[in-house]
Amino acid sequence: GAGVSQSPRYKVAKRGQDVALRCDPISGHVSLFWYQQALGQGPEFLTYFQNEAQLDKSGLPSDRFFAERPEGSVSTLKIQRTQQEDSAVYLCASRKMNSGSYEQYFGPGTRLTVT
Amino acid sequence: DQQVKQNSPSLSVQEGRISILNCDYTNSMFDYFLWYKKYPAEGPTFLISISSIKDKNEDGRFTVFLNKSAKHLSLHIVPSQPGDSAVYFCAAIKTGGSEKLVFGKGTKLTVNP
Repeated sequence: GAGVSQSPRYKVAKRGQDVALRCDPISGHVSLFWYQQALGQGPEFLTYFQNEAQLDKSGLPSDRFFAERPEGSVSTLKIQRTQQEDSAVYLCASRKMNSGSYEQYFGPGTRLTVT
Repeated sequence: DQQVKQNSPSLSVQEGRISILNCDYTNSMFDYFLWYKKYPAEGPTFLISISSIKDKNEDGRFTVFLNKSAKHLSLHIVPSQPGDSAVYFCAAIKTGGSEKLVFGKGTKLTVNP
């Protein structure tokens, strides 16, 4: 079946612009996660949804970052007034609840470059 | 502070030999561990996992060992193949909460033909 998809795959933004990154999780996956991966680092947790409820946003680095999942499927990560330090790969992952295991399935990521 | 550490940034092995990737963690609340493999320009792909109630889990050429007292886990790949060349990430979860993955920085494995 279809995996997690993300769009756009690449985004170049000028400093100060707003960007919106989209994630389509695997159909039927209740849990959705966003991670940020800087160059040479492992992915770092940003936020977590269970259906449409945002249950954990402890990893969002500032109030310029906002995520939503209004209908419990597609999610959007929005970054306002982008800064150079926001340049990273943004990964989305989904997970089927009560599957007996905890693996998350990742999309290919969106590479954001802020110039 | 880095709660999951992969202290070897890179590892090079010959095809057919064993690859051993190591991972240490500091948070004793972690109770589930996973290994992911990542190729350039792709998202991480799940490889194998282990619960803290076990000390070994095997899946084909991949085996993960967990030493809870040492807060250490390792991934063994036998035999190594050139297609295994990728970056390997260790990740840990504290189950019961948001179950977010906490990742190490990764180890780049190169398997030489």
